Amino acid sequence: DAGVTQSPTHLIKTRGQQVTLRCSPKSGHDTVSWYQQALGQGPQFIFQYYEEEERQRGNFPDRFSGHQFPNYSSELNVNALLLGDSALYLCASSLEAEETQYFGPGTRLLVL
Amino acid sequence: AQKVTQAQTEISVVEKEDVTLDCVYETRDTTYYLFWYKQPPSGELVFLIRRNSFDEQNEISGRYSWNFQKSTSSFNFTITASQVVDSAVYFCALSEGRSYGQNFVFGPGTRLSVLP
Repeated sequence: DAGVTQSPTHLIKTRGQQVTLRCSPKSGHDTVSWYQQALGQGPQFIFQYYEEEERQRGNFPDRFSGHQFPNYSSELNVNALLLGDSALYLCASSLEAEETQYFGPGTRLLVL
Repeated sequence: AQKVTQAQTEISVVEKEDVTLDCVYETRDTTYYLFWYKQPPSGELVFLIRRNSFDEQNEISGRYSWNFQKSTSSFNFTITASQVVDSAVYFCALSEGRSYGQNFVFGPGTRLSVLP
């Protein structure tokens, strides 16, 4: 039973560039959430997708956008990268009817 | 608004000692869920436990136990006879219902170091 997978594992970009991160949910899960975790801090909720729609959003600017595909996989896009976007980006999946979220290994993004 | 506080930034114990990680939460909802996650150096958050607001029964799982007290808005986590492999950052999290989707709020984490 495959868990949550994310790609790539590491990424280096420069300011102003755009980045796309990918996530495949745990088998059977239909809901995907994205989090940003800065060094030494707890994860911060970015948004959640269900049925290919953004259902809830945290306090992040519009530079952060996402998409969910019919197979429930998801992408996180960040435009006009800032140095402060450097962080570990975590994807979590869950069943819409359940509360527990299961996390992937994350993508470490470094913006230079 | 939701908030989770983990007052202990770092804890160091010697192997086989018991250790308790504190978690205090704030919410206006009567229906909510509390979680503990472990984050080893690899970075992946590992789910440990979920508790809903209507179930104050304490739980024990092997060396792990959890004490949920609504009266003090606390959900503390105790590791008995700690081991080096328990070294990690532990996060407490709160989720307020699902009407408009989930929104997990995490505490800042407690870094636990278990020394041999």
